[in-house]
Amino acid sequence: KNEVEQSPQNLTAQEGEFITINCSYSVGISALHWLQQHPGGGIVSLFMLSSGKKKHGRLIATINIQEKHSSLHITASHPRDSAVYICAVQPFGNEKLTFGTGTRLTIIP
Amino acid sequence: DAGITQSPRYKITETGRQVTLMCHQTWSHSYMFWYRQDLGHGLRLIYYSAAADITDKGEVPDGYVVSRSKTENFPLTLESATRSQTSVYFCASKTGSSYEQYFGPGTRLTVT
Repeated sequence: KNEVEQSPQNLTAQEGEFITINCSYSVGISALHWLQQHPGGGIVSLFMLSSGKKKHGRLIATINIQEKHSSLHITASHPRDSAVYICAVQPFGNEKLTFGTGTRLTIIP
Repeated sequence: DAGITQSPRYKITETGRQVTLMCHQTWSHSYMFWYRQDLGHGLRLIYYSAAADITDKGEVPDGYVVSRSKTENFPLTLESATRSQTSVYFCASKTGSSYEQYFGPGTRLTVT
């Protein structure tokens, strides 16, 4: 079993829909990261969380440390949100990240 | 230019050849990382470095060699390339006091 599990693996939605991507992990962590990768593109950090909730524009990330679970929400989704979203965790006392396999999001106009 | 860069961006090589992928960052970040990204596996750590002259293995180090003689550079060498090393390689860096990693644009390597 992977230390970081994301769901769903693939998600297709219509423009304007509310999107939720989930991430579960099995180890104690110092921080959790949400990353975005556009097709053929580089990797960009969206959020880094150690507790609670963060918001940036239409993106919201939440984390429940007790349940070892995080969600990434996109409100009023747009075709430019189409990308792979990657969850990564930083285990306690470790400078290395452990990555999920990503969620491929496609937003249809 | 400031930031983290990788070269080359695309490389095709033959089985058995030695290949070096370059990573350069201008922030003087102490930590640098090399990852490979393959379908179905996500990002996997090959090697990382905590400072100049300090390197350590990651999850998938076999067939790769790294060095870090200067803080800003972290080259990755495939000593004798194999088809299984066809992948997209990402370099990343971070400071010692933050968890956030900054990724380079990636190098797409094809081994024929």
